[in-house]
Amino acid sequence: QKEVEQNSGPLSVPEGAIASLNCTYSDRGSQSFFWYRQYSGKSPELIMFIYSNGDKEDGRFTAQLNKASQYVSLLIRDSQPSDSATYLCAASGYSTLTFGKGTMLLVSP
Amino acid sequence: DTEVTQTPKHLVMGMTNKKSLKCEQHMGHRAMYWYKQKAKKPPELMFVYSYEKLSINESVPSRFSPECPNSSLLNLHLHALQPEDSALYLCASSQENGVRASFGPGTRLTVL
Repeated sequence: QKEVEQNSGPLSVPEGAIASLNCTYSDRGSQSFFWYRQYSGKSPELIMFIYSNGDKEDGRFTAQLNKASQYVSLLIRDSQPSDSATYLCAASGYSTLTFGKGTMLLVSP
Repeated sequence: DTEVTQTPKHLVMGMTNKKSLKCEQHMGHRAMYWYKQKAKKPPELMFVYSYEKLSINESVPSRFSPECPNSSLLNLHLHALQPEDSALYLCASSQENGVRASFGPGTRLTVL
């Protein structure tokens, strides 16, 4: 069974700090990985995706992938209170997305 | 046009009602999805349409009936639902199965 594991949190960080969100996956056939941000009562919004080992940066966000360790992470630099949300990690193989349960991030002013 | 739209935003229905949820995308995506999401849980896949054909049905009860009239539209027909079916119903689309999906804003469904 394909699984994506995330710590449910909450992860609390002060404003301006780096938030580090982690995810592991069980299916070695997974090829693509996605981070979605979901505010309470809203739908998920794709913020980062990564296909290759290494780092991918986009503004304040950096996604990291290590296929050997089956590990994906999302770093948020200069965290803002508006970053407070649930972050869903998802893995894709040959069919559909498998979502983790999400990590709640709380950024305090 | 780079978004997925869903109607209605909110729906309240009784257990004997028949209603439909609608989803539309104009991004040329060939895969469309229905997800169900309960509070504080991740999205749970219900159905996948690929090139307008139903490719995945995750053992969803028959009171939920999907329909894909064309490549831009996806419907979810609801009949004889139960209170436990109350949830946020999300539509998503992607260029192909399993690649990055864009979600619509969702329909908040309450079954009385």
